[in-house]
Amino acid sequence: EPEVTQTPSHQVTQMGQEVILRCVPISNHLYFYWYRQILGQKVEFLVSFYNNEISEKSEIFDDQFSVERPDGSNFTLKIRSTKLEDSAMYFCASSEGTTNEQFFGPGTRLTVL
Amino acid sequence: QKEVEQDPGPLSVPEGAIVSLNCTYSNSAFQYFMWYRQYSRKGPELLMYTYSSGNKEDGRFTAQVDKSSKYISLFIRDSQPSDSATYLCAGETGANNLFFGTGTRLTVIP
Repeated sequence: EPEVTQTPSHQVTQMGQEVILRCVPISNHLYFYWYRQILGQKVEFLVSFYNNEISEKSEIFDDQFSVERPDGSNFTLKIRSTKLEDSAMYFCASSEGTTNEQFFGPGTRLTVL
Repeated sequence: QKEVEQDPGPLSVPEGAIVSLNCTYSNSAFQYFMWYRQYSRKGPELLMYTYSSGNKEDGRFTAQVDKSSKYISLFIRDSQPSDSATYLCAGETGANNLFFGTGTRLTVIP
């Protein structure tokens, strides 16, 4: 069964450093998303991406964040200058587009020290 | 942001019990409703996806949406220990971003 994959599973970084989180969405899906979940809190929407551009973003997704689809398979989230409060699980999701069913990856745990 | 409210539990039931999980929402623009299951430190797994009001059944799971009262339910029949997880409800307006509840932690005791 096709699934969304994410790497790395755990990323530890120093405050102020740049991180890139990687995702491989399901191959025939057209919409891609990033969500985050701070420990003990709700899963929160960050950004959606379609046709090589951002279609929606939340107020969390400020200028420190960017997304890219550098090739036909990867979808990345970059945080330019990490803060302590960026520590969270980051989930990538994808959907086909004919329905709104979103399938999530296993997540990347980001720890900012 | 309190668009979707969900009792966090925890909820403990004996094996074989019928489980009822509930959410309320405030955003009248929600058209699609989902239930996800999340095991500890894993990604949410899509269980049920419904559009507008009504019931949808899939095996032991039934999702129910009442848009008039802004109420979403998930029923699990013949609950199993493997159903022990956190259950997340979510609503979506059609703009492709999901609004999640806090999740209800369920334990099914053998």
